[in-house]
Amino acid sequence: EDKVVQSPLSLVVHEGDTVTLNCSYEVTNFRSLLWYKQEKKAPTFLFMLTSSGIEKKSGRLSSILDKKELFSILNITATQTGDSAIYLCVPSNDYKLSFGAGTTVTVRA
Amino acid sequence: GAVVSQHPSRVICKSGTSVKIECRSLDFQATTMFWYRQFPKKSLMLMATSNEGSKATYEQGVEKDKFLINHASLTLSTLTVTSAHPEDSSFYICSARDHLADMYTQYFGPGTRLTVL
Repeated sequence: EDKVVQSPLSLVVHEGDTVTLNCSYEVTNFRSLLWYKQEKKAPTFLFMLTSSGIEKKSGRLSSILDKKELFSILNITATQTGDSAIYLCVPSNDYKLSFGAGTTVTVRA
Repeated sequence: GAVVSQHPSRVICKSGTSVKIECRSLDFQATTMFWYRQFPKKSLMLMATSNEGSKATYEQGVEKDKFLINHASLTLSTLTVTSAHPEDSSFYICSARDHLADMYTQYFGPGTRLTVL
C-alpha cells in the first residue's frame, strides 16, 4: 500500500523564522512529487519535482527531492503570517496522487 | 497558470434531494479530472477518476449510483450527489490534469461545501 509520512505534523513559528518540512514516501510506479499549500479552501500547487538533487525555488519557498532515499523537503525562509497553512506532500504515480496527513504550519506575528 | 473552477462554492439542501457540482478547467483541456472528498482536518480522499467521453473509475467503497459523474467535454466534469443524506455533507474538491503540459500535476478547484439538512 502506498504510504506518505510528513513530519512534523504541526509546528508554530514566529515571523522571520525558517521552517523545514519533511516528507518520506513509498509509492508504486512513482513518477513525481508534488507540494501543495492548503489554506481554507482547496490545495494550491507549489512545486513538481521529478529529478533528484535539483532544487526548485519560488520566492521564499524551495524544495528538493531524493529519489534514492524516497524523501523530499520543503523549506520556507523568512516566514510570514500568510504562510500559515497545511502543506501537503503528494507523490504521483501513473494516474493517482497519494496524500499524507500534511504539516500544519502556524506563523505568529 | 492552470485554473480550475467549481460551482457552486457552497450548497445547502434537504435530505433526499440531488445536488450537481460542476468542475471546469478554464484555460486548458483536461482529458482527466478527479473528484475528492475531504472531511474536517483530514486529507483528501479520492472518490473517482473522470475521463472525457468514457465512464468514470470509482475508488473502492464509493457508490457509483450515489455519486454520478459525467465528463462530457474536455473542460467540464460534473458530480451529482443523488438522494443526498446528512452523512454526504462534506467538502468536495475536483482537480484536473493538463495533459499537454505534464502527466502528473493536478490543479485543484476551490471546492464545494455541501451541507445536507
